[in-house]
Amino acid sequence: NAGVTQTPKFRVLKTGQSMTLLCAQDMNHEYMYWYRQDPGMGLRLIHYSVGEGTTAKGEVPDGYNVSRLKKQNFLLGLESAAPSQTSVYFCASSYLVKRNQETQYFGPGTRLLVL
Amino acid sequence: RKEVEQDPGPFNVPEGATVAFNCTYSNSASQSFFWYRQDCRKEPKLLMSVYSSGNEDGRFTAQLNRASQYISLLIRDSKLSDSATYLCVVREVSGTYKYIFGTGTRLKVLA
Repeated sequence: NAGVTQTPKFRVLKTGQSMTLLCAQDMNHEYMYWYRQDPGMGLRLIHYSVGEGTTAKGEVPDGYNVSRLKKQNFLLGLESAAPSQTSVYFCASSYLVKRNQETQYFGPGTRLLVL
Repeated sequence: RKEVEQDPGPFNVPEGATVAFNCTYSNSASQSFFWYRQDCRKEPKLLMSVYSSGNEDGRFTAQLNRASQYISLLIRDSKLSDSATYLCVVREVSGTYKYIFGTGTRLKVLA
């Protein structure tokens, strides 16, 4: 049981390049989330998904797209990277939101540097 | 005003000390409350959920004060291994799945 995994772990991009971050979970969780973490800002929600084939915008969605074609995978895409997207990206997953089952399990993070 | 506010610290305490952190939230309709722990350059991990009646897990005690809109975390008999950043997390409005994270409080336990 690997939990939540993210690939890649680290990436350097040039401004304008595109890339996709992959998140995979083997816990059969319905919900998945993408966050970014910046110094002094805390984690901010980019996009989330409440089930296969569904996605929704979070707090800071601009410049990102997501897809959830399979229940276990949640992809985050950057179509044209900008230096402002330099950050640590965390994926998380959880069961349905109900009492005592709201634990979010996080992946190890992807460190992205955009030059 | 930030939706979830925490004192960034650092709180430097000696081993064995008791330390408390507070976190305030702005939305009175907030539904669920949590404390997560994050070690340097690692992912956050759930420390404990915070229930209306308060809850305790070993050396850790969490309290919720809805009237004043804050939650607290008390750590007794601090260990060196407790050194980390503690994130306050709030889920707002029932039925949504958006969790608001505080910026974290950094704790250093000194030998």
